[in-house]
Amino acid sequence: KAGVTQTPRYLIKTRGQQVTLSCSPISGHRSVSWYQQTPGQGLQFLFEYFSETQRNKGNFPGRFSGRQFSNSRSEMNVSTLELGDSALYLCASSISQSSGNTIYFGEGSWLTVV
Amino acid sequence: AQRVTQPEKLLSVFKGAPVELKCNYSYSGSPELFWYVQYSRQRLQLLLRHISRESIKGFTADLNKGETSFHLKKPFAQEEDSAMYYCALSGRGESSGSARQLTFGSGTQLTVLP
Repeated sequence: KAGVTQTPRYLIKTRGQQVTLSCSPISGHRSVSWYQQTPGQGLQFLFEYFSETQRNKGNFPGRFSGRQFSNSRSEMNVSTLELGDSALYLCASSISQSSGNTIYFGEGSWLTVV
Repeated sequence: AQRVTQPEKLLSVFKGAPVELKCNYSYSGSPELFWYVQYSRQRLQLLLRHISRESIKGFTADLNKGETSFHLKKPFAQEEDSAMYYCALSGRGESSGSARQLTFGSGTQLTVLP
């Protein structure tokens, strides 16, 4: 079974631009969540989607948004990029099981803002 | 509010020595606790879940609700255990009861010396 797939893996953007990152969850997983990983702040939750609906949101400004499609694939968008948005953006998918929820991560998209 | 604390940013042990990575949490409800590991240039991988009470790669972790701890232990460390280890908690999201938001600790970089 293929893992969580994220594209692009690496990208460089200029301040003020916007970026869209894509995530394909593990087949059968309907929940997709996004995290930002930086050396200073560590791993921080951005938002979670389930059945095309945002169910939970972390403490990030409105410039960070996302969506989920009917096939569970998800995208996140960051508008008006700032230097501080440079980070590894991780997508994760999960499935509910009787034994609880397990969250699986993709390799991430490395975003550099210059 | 939920919080995960990993007091040691760096931890070095010699090969064959026991290792314990500390994790304390703060959560008002009944949490799910996880340990994730990130080897150099690899994706974040699930190592252990407290629900499954299993041993993976010789690692074990016991949830101590009285001390609100979930320390990761291994009796004999190996050089291939060198990695960044993250303790994480999954609780109910504020908005919709989602149980798929992970709160991470700041991580412990484990180095196993030859």
